[in-house]
Amino acid sequence: DAKTTQPTSMDCAEGRAANLPCNHSTISGNEYVYWYRQIHSQGPQYIIHGLKNNETNEMASLIITEDRKSSTLILPHATLRDTAVYYCIVRVRGSQGNLIFGKGTKLSVKP
Amino acid sequence: NAGVTQTPKFQVLKTGQSMTLQCAQDMNHEYMSWYRQDPGMGLRLIHYSVGAGITDQGEVPNGYNVSRSTTEDFPLRLLSAAPSQTSVYFCASSPRWGTSGKEETQYFGPGTRLLVL
Repeated sequence: DAKTTQPTSMDCAEGRAANLPCNHSTISGNEYVYWYRQIHSQGPQYIIHGLKNNETNEMASLIITEDRKSSTLILPHATLRDTAVYYCIVRVRGSQGNLIFGKGTKLSVKP
Repeated sequence: NAGVTQTPKFQVLKTGQSMTLQCAQDMNHEYMSWYRQDPGMGLRLIHYSVGAGITDQGEVPNGYNVSRSTTEDFPLRLLSAAPSQTSVYFCASSPRWGTSGKEETQYFGPGTRLLVL
């Protein structure tokens, strides 16, 4: 599975959009991009995933560049409860391999 | 649905003791897995199972055993606890594995915090 690179930490003001970048320059055509988050001391929580089209659900939006080498997770109106570590993971569709969690981005939403 | 449940929430062991961390899910998921998370680190896969009776090793399997006799349960056994096994352990389940993106979404339990003295 392709390796991902994320900033170690980011800050965001409450009520503003949080844009979390992820670089996956070695991604191949059949690899999905997944985002999970982990709120302090809890188990990780699935947010969203995509292959090549932009995706939106009730939690977030996922923007994948046309060359698929990077993506951005957008939390449109960040709240204090969105403070968490966000993990960007790529994974081959149909693979028996497993999710590989890196160190993620620590997002701090400030009042 | 209770989702993924883990017991105990917290455990203290002495070096050399054995114990079993329990994990159960009530979503009829085929895939289950165990991760450990050390301070400041991401999650590392210990063992996983793609269905009842089928288990396999992950990234860091040494010192741990698993079995999957039912779809619902996936216990993790520490054979002889060592201080290096002090960690937070997460169990996760997924509807399917090796299929499409949505069916591989993993649902995580609340974790078991283990301290080995």
